[in-house]
Amino acid sequence: GQQLNQSPQSMFIQEGEDVSMNCTSSSIFNTWLWYKQDPGEGPVLLIALYKAGELTSNGRLTAQFGITRKDSFLNISASIPSDVGIYFCAGRGAGGTSYGKLTFGQGTILTVHP
Amino acid sequence: DVKVTQSSRYLVKRTGEKVFLECVQDMDHENMFWYRQDPGLGLRLIYFSYDVKMKEKGDIPEGYSVSREKKERFSLILESASTNQTSMYLCASSLRPGLAGGRHEQFFGPGTRLTVL
Repeated sequence: GQQLNQSPQSMFIQEGEDVSMNCTSSSIFNTWLWYKQDPGEGPVLLIALYKAGELTSNGRLTAQFGITRKDSFLNISASIPSDVGIYFCAGRGAGGTSYGKLTFGQGTILTVHP
Repeated sequence: DVKVTQSSRYLVKRTGEKVFLECVQDMDHENMFWYRQDPGLGLRLIYFSYDVKMKEKGDIPEGYSVSREKKERFSLILESASTNQTSMYLCASSLRPGLAGGRHEQFFGPGTRLTVL
């Protein structure tokens, strides 16, 4: 089946630093989604991308749908302590079945030191 | 706002017990999903449903079954709980992509942390 490789697996940064994480696939994806999961909670959708090359921002977060349609990245600028959590990428491959099934990356665990 | 609720946040059961996890969504979504989340493994799809009484196996259906008798409710059943089913269980829902302009966004509940002793 389709797989997503998300990196890095974990990050330890100082408050105020910028963060970058990415996901890559061996096959073409039509949709990229980025989620954040706070400790003990369910994932919350941050950004949705539907077109190759699309660049979308949500506050301090910016995500891009790669031109090759096989990758996506998420940037967080000027990190703050509440950015702590697990960030997941998710995607839907081209030619997949309907019903909206997604493939998820393994997650990036972000720790922000004050 | 979409709201997905799960019947319990924390659950402790004994090996061999039958366990029911309930999920309810209030946005009239066609699709509903059950995942389990384990450290280092991300989210793995157990079962999903695209309509009432319709279900399909995900990537790890063994040891689980599901029920969808009403559109808003999707239940995950562990027929005989085992210790390797100790995990975080997440429910999600989404519109059918064809009805949502091709959008595939899934909305998650808060999760149920199940411990099987």
